[in-house]
Amino acid sequence: NAGVTQTPKFRILKIGQSMTLQCAQDMNHNYMYWYRQDPGMGLKLIYYSVGAGITDKGEVPNGYNVSRSTTEYFPLRLELAAPSQTSVYFCASTRVGTDTQYFGPGTRLTVL
Amino acid sequence: AQSVTQLDSQVPVFEEAPVELRCNYSSSVSVYLFWYVQYPNQGLQLLLKYLSGSTLVKGINGFEAEFNKSQTSFHLRKPSVHISDTAEYFCAVRDNYGQNFVFGPGTRLSVLP
Repeated sequence: NAGVTQTPKFRILKIGQSMTLQCAQDMNHNYMYWYRQDPGMGLKLIYYSVGAGITDKGEVPNGYNVSRSTTEYFPLRLELAAPSQTSVYFCASTRVGTDTQYFGPGTRLTVL
Repeated sequence: AQSVTQLDSQVPVFEEAPVELRCNYSSSVSVYLFWYVQYPNQGLQLLLKYLSGSTLVKGINGFEAEFNKSQTSFHLRKPSVHISDTAEYFCAVRDNYGQNFVFGPGTRLSVLP
């Protein structure tokens, strides 16, 4: 199993540009999450999904959108990039009943 | 809503010495508790978790943690650290009915030779 994969690894955006961060898992996990990690702040939950077609907001959803059309994929969309969205983004997944989150390697995004 | 405090942002310790990384949480409902480790330029990896039962939880790499409900703490310990334990450690909580994980700010453990 590849586990949780994320693309791209690095990206530089200009203010106002849009992009999609890709996340995929091959473990057939129902739950998937998007976090952002800022220095000294730990991880903040952006959005999560408990299954295909079901998503919900986390602590810091503003400026982001998600969709979950299949179990495997959970893309995160930035519509109008802002410098405040410069961060490292992690995708994670969990199987129902286990509470163990499996994390991807992260995407480092810089908005200039 | 839950919150997590990790009072020590950095902990330097010599190799083979014991270490304790502190975690305190606040919540109005019962919670599940977790410790994750993040090695440089990697994602997070679960060290251990407390869901119920024995308050002393053993995890991977020789780490253990003790849940103390009265003090709302979940401190992480290792009796003898190695250079390879150098990493950032995150405490996290989740209430027992939702999927909203809340992470602490992290503690950077540096093991010195």
